[in-house]
Amino acid sequence: NAGVTQTPKFRVLKTGQSMTLLCAQDMNHEYMYWYRQDPGMGLRLIHYSVGEGTTAKGEVPDGYNVSRLKKQNFLLGLESAAPSQTSVYFCASSPLAGTYEQYFGPGTRLTVT
Amino acid sequence: KQEVTQIPAALSVPEGENLVLNCSFTDSAIYNLQWFRQDPGKGLTSLLLIQSSQREQTSGRLNASLDKSSGRSTLYIAASQPGDSATYLCATGTASKLTFGTGTRLQVTL
Repeated sequence: NAGVTQTPKFRVLKTGQSMTLLCAQDMNHEYMYWYRQDPGMGLRLIHYSVGEGTTAKGEVPDGYNVSRLKKQNFLLGLESAAPSQTSVYFCASSPLAGTYEQYFGPGTRLTVT
Repeated sequence: KQEVTQIPAALSVPEGENLVLNCSFTDSAIYNLQWFRQDPGKGLTSLLLIQSSQREQTSGRLNASLDKSSGRSTLYIAASQPGDSATYLCATGTASKLTFGTGTRLQVTL
């Protein structure tokens, strides 16, 4: 039982390049989330999904797109990377009911030069 | 809009001391409150979750309390150890959206 995994762990991009971050969970959770963590800012919600085929905007969605084609996967895309998107990105998942406790992946450290 | 504040931002205590970390939030219409631990360069590990109908939760040397009416939660760590050194984050909100504080960085010294 791997929990929540993220690929890749590290990435360096040049301004204007694109990339996709992959999040996978094996806990059969309905809800999945993408956050970014910046020094002094705490974690901020980028996008989230309440089920397969659904996505919704969080607090800081500009410059990002997401897709949830399979229940276990949640993809975060950067179409044209900017230095302001240098951050650590965390994926999380939670069950549909009960405590809604969120479980986090190990993070992806992205640097945009 | 929910705002979550954690004070102090950093704390250093000698080993063996009992300590309290504070978390305050502005909107009391919450579903639950979670406390997380984050080690440098790592992800978040859930420590305790208190549902809105509960007053406290305990796990080993950790005890978290929740007072919705005053918008406050505390994390009590008993008999602190050097291995407790980490950043502690609290987060609260609705069932599908959490708002995070910026954390308290704890250092437990020998």
